[in-house]
Amino acid sequence: KAGVTQTPRYLIKTRGQQVTLSCSPISGHRSVSWYQQTPGQGLQFLFEYFSETQRNKGNFPGRFSGRQFSNSRSEMNVSTLELGDSALYLCASGRQDTGELFFGEGSRLTVL
Amino acid sequence: QQQVKQSPQSLIVQKGGIPIINCAYENTAFDYFPWYQQFPGKGPALLIAIRPDVSEKKEGRFTISFNKSAKQFSLHIMDSQPGDSATYFCAAKSGNNNDMRFGAGTRLTVKP
Repeated sequence: KAGVTQTPRYLIKTRGQQVTLSCSPISGHRSVSWYQQTPGQGLQFLFEYFSETQRNKGNFPGRFSGRQFSNSRSEMNVSTLELGDSALYLCASGRQDTGELFFGEGSRLTVL
Repeated sequence: QQQVKQSPQSLIVQKGGIPIINCAYENTAFDYFPWYQQFPGKGPALLIAIRPDVSEKKEGRFTISFNKSAKQFSLHIMDSQPGDSATYFCAAKSGNNNDMRFGAGTRLTVKP
């Protein structure tokens, strides 16, 4: 069974640009959540989508947004990038019956 | 908001030793407590998880001990190996949503 797939794995952007990250969850999983990982703040919850609807949202500014498609694939977008947005962005696919959360390898964003 | 406090920040043990990592939580609504292992350049991998209706769970060399009254839980790694050297995160969440709250992480080094 394929795991969680995130693309791109690495990207470099400049301040003010926007970026879109993609996530394909494990087949059959309808929940996708996004996390930001930085050395200073650790792992922080961004938002969760379930059946194309945002179910939860973390404490991040409106520049961070996401969506989920009917095939459960998800994208997150960050607009007007700031230096502090440099981080590893992790997507997690969730099993509703057990509560287990499985992470992808992440997309490492560097903002110059 | 630090809802899950993890200690120690780093830990060094000899091969065969039993490292113990501790976590404490504040929110009594949490009902799912996983541990994740993360190697450099990889996403967190689910190791083992527990729910508050049991006090201990073992999977291979990994054991979670859970103390509901103290709001604490810990990870023990039996017969630790150099390949166990990684960063370990405890986490907690409530209900069916995937707004997982993570501890700050423990960097474990197992010396040969």
